[in-house]
Amino acid sequence: GQNIDQPTEMTATEGAIVQINCTYQTSGFNGLFWYQQHAGEAPTFLSYNVLDGLEEKGRFSSFLSRSKGYSYLLLKELQMKDSASYLCAVRDLYTGGFKTIFGAGTRLFVKA
Amino acid sequence: EAGVTQFPSHSVIEKGQTVTLRCDPISGHDNLYWYRRVMGKEIKFLLHFVKESKQDESGMPNNRFLAERTGGTYSTLKVQPAELEDSGVYFCASSQAGRSTDTQYFGPGTRLTVL
Repeated sequence: GQNIDQPTEMTATEGAIVQINCTYQTSGFNGLFWYQQHAGEAPTFLSYNVLDGLEEKGRFSSFLSRSKGYSYLLLKELQMKDSASYLCAVRDLYTGGFKTIFGAGTRLFVKA
Repeated sequence: EAGVTQFPSHSVIEKGQTVTLRCDPISGHDNLYWYRRVMGKEIKFLLHFVKESKQDESGMPNNRFLAERTGGTYSTLKVQPAELEDSGVYFCASSQAGRSTDTQYFGPGTRLTVL
C-alpha cells in the first residue's frame, strides 16, 4: 500500500533550525515533494528530490534516502512567517501513469 | 504569470443540492488535477486530466462527482446531490506536460460546506 507519515505539530524558536521528518511507503517511488501551506491558502512548492542526498535552496534544504523511505525538510534561521503546515508528498508510478500522495502535514509554530 | 485560480472560494449548500466548482489552470499547462482535503485529514487525489482526457479518476469518491475539462482549458467539478461528507476544501493543481519533476502549482481551493 501507500503510506506517508510525518509529525502532526512542531514548535521552534525564531532564528533556530528545525527538521521535519517524513517516512513513506510506496510501490513505485518517483520523487518526493515538500510543500508549504499557510492557513487558508494554496500549498506552494518548496522542493523536489528524486535522487538520494541533500538539495539546498536558501534557508530550506531537503534530504532523501530512498533505501530508508525517508526524507526531511530543514529550515534554518527560522522566521515568524515560516509558521505554516509543511506537506510531504510522494509521486507514485503505476501502470496507468502516476499520482501524487500527500501526508497529513506538519504544523510548525515559530515563537519569538 | 497568473497562477491557478478557483471559483468560488467558499460555497455553503444544503444536503441534496448541486454545486459546481471551477478551476482555471496556468496557461499552457496540460495536466490538471483535483484534490480534496477533509478537515484534519491529508490532501487526497481525486482525478487527473491530460488536456481534455481523464488520465486517472481512481480517486473520485462515487458517481455523485463529475469532472469535465471540455477544450482542455478550465475544468469543472460537479457534486450532485451533495452529501454532508462532501464538505472539505477542494484544490485544483496544474503542471506542464513533459516535465520530469511535474511540479504541481495549486490554486487557493474552494471551501465547500454541506449543511
